Amino acid sequence: DGGITQSPKYLFRKEGQNVTLSCEQNLNHDAMYWYRQDPGQGLRLIYYSQIVNDFQKGDIAEGYSVSREKKESFPLTVTSAQKNPTAFYLCASSMVLRDGYTFGSGTRLTVV
Amino acid sequence: EDQVTQSPEALRLQEGESSSLNCSYTVSGLRGLFWYRQDPGKGPEFLFTLYSAGEEKEKERLKATLTKKESFLHITAPKPEDSATYLCAVRAEPLTGGFKTIFGAGTRLFVKA
Repeated sequence: DGGITQSPKYLFRKEGQNVTLSCEQNLNHDAMYWYRQDPGQGLRLIYYSQIVNDFQKGDIAEGYSVSREKKESFPLTVTSAQKNPTAFYLCASSMVLRDGYTFGSGTRLTVV
Repeated sequence: EDQVTQSPEALRLQEGESSSLNCSYTVSGLRGLFWYRQDPGKGPEFLFTLYSAGEEKEKERLKATLTKKESFLHITAPKPEDSATYLCAVRAEPLTGGFKTIFGAGTRLFVKA
């Protein structure tokens, strides 16, 4: 079955550490996105990519970095510059920017 | 400022008690309104897309409607398995270019047997 796979499901980060969240899709979608979800708030866009080797900053890109070397993959790195990284991270994809999204099952990141 | 507001924040219903969730928005260049369902600890699941005022979509016990200022998600005779958080999102493409998708904070629905 086609879908989006996020890993790991749970991730713990120590102070000053970079961590990378994986996102893989087999839907042949061109566009991919990373969102952050915090309690009581709407999803906030971190980065998005419309095509391979191209990506754009979203509303809260500071302290995060991404790459899009393959159509299927869009990993997110949470750097030590992100001072409040504890959140639920969601990866999504769509055929084109205008479509509704297919979401992954999320990664819960906690700072320890 | 572009904004999406969902109400109520939480809604408790008895099984079979029909009700509606509201999503009001103020954006320029509306290009679509999306409804998602999210279960605890999981990613949102796409339900509907509405593109123009007057449009309606249905799926099982759910019906989504759209006006120029708001959308409603009507739930008819809900069952406990309908308990979830329902998210609304608005896609806007301003004349200045680019695009923006704004999510509401969601409505948590609890349906008691």
